Amino acid sequence: DADVTQTPRNRITKTGKRIMLECSQTKGHDRMYWYRQDPGLGLRLIYYSFDVKDINKGEISDGYSVSRQAQAKFSLSLESAIPNQTALYFCATSGPSWGGTPDTQYFGPGTRLTVL
Amino acid sequence: QKEVEQNSGPLSVPEGAIASLNCTYSDRVSQSFFWYRQYSGKSPELIMSIYSNGDKEDGRFTAQLNKASQYVSLLIRDSQPSDSATYLCVITSGTYKYIFGTGTRLKVLA
Repeated sequence: DADVTQTPRNRITKTGKRIMLECSQTKGHDRMYWYRQDPGLGLRLIYYSFDVKDINKGEISDGYSVSRQAQAKFSLSLESAIPNQTALYFCATSGPSWGGTPDTQYFGPGTRLTVL
Repeated sequence: QKEVEQNSGPLSVPEGAIASLNCTYSDRVSQSFFWYRQYSGKSPELIMSIYSNGDKEDGRFTAQLNKASQYVSLLIRDSQPSDSATYLCVITSGTYKYIFGTGTRLKVLA
């Protein structure tokens, strides 16, 4: 079984709908991240969480919210989807930072979201 | 100036040749450097990590880091058609931030 899973894998929705993307991991990591990827752009950070009680905005958090239900689960919500949120969304996890050096990130398979 | 710069490619090499992928970065205090491979529509998968100046080898892959020049590279020896993918250079900034390049597309010609 995959260490980091995402559901759904594909989703088509309409403008204005609320959408939730879910991420689960079995790696035992405390740190979890949500990114989006658009053609020609690098992965951009939406939100990150260092533990259940520590959630932080990334560089493009407007229009998104998150919930860390447990150490292993981190969900991303689009409260009112709009077409420019059409993208490939990735969840990632990492171990702790050692001596100030961030650990390797491991990615889920991605969710392809289309907002019409 | 972008924080992480990569040539978008495509970089085309014949099968069996060495592919050389390059990356420059602007944050002088970056401590961790990663190369990920990403097939179209798939998630990034880790190829190499490197933390100190010099070379690090793993099978057909060699990562090279030069912090003074703010330069990191990935060499792929004996390139195979299955190596055709986009290669992402990733650096870290501070204790949590990962900065991604836009990737270099590699095509290995059979």
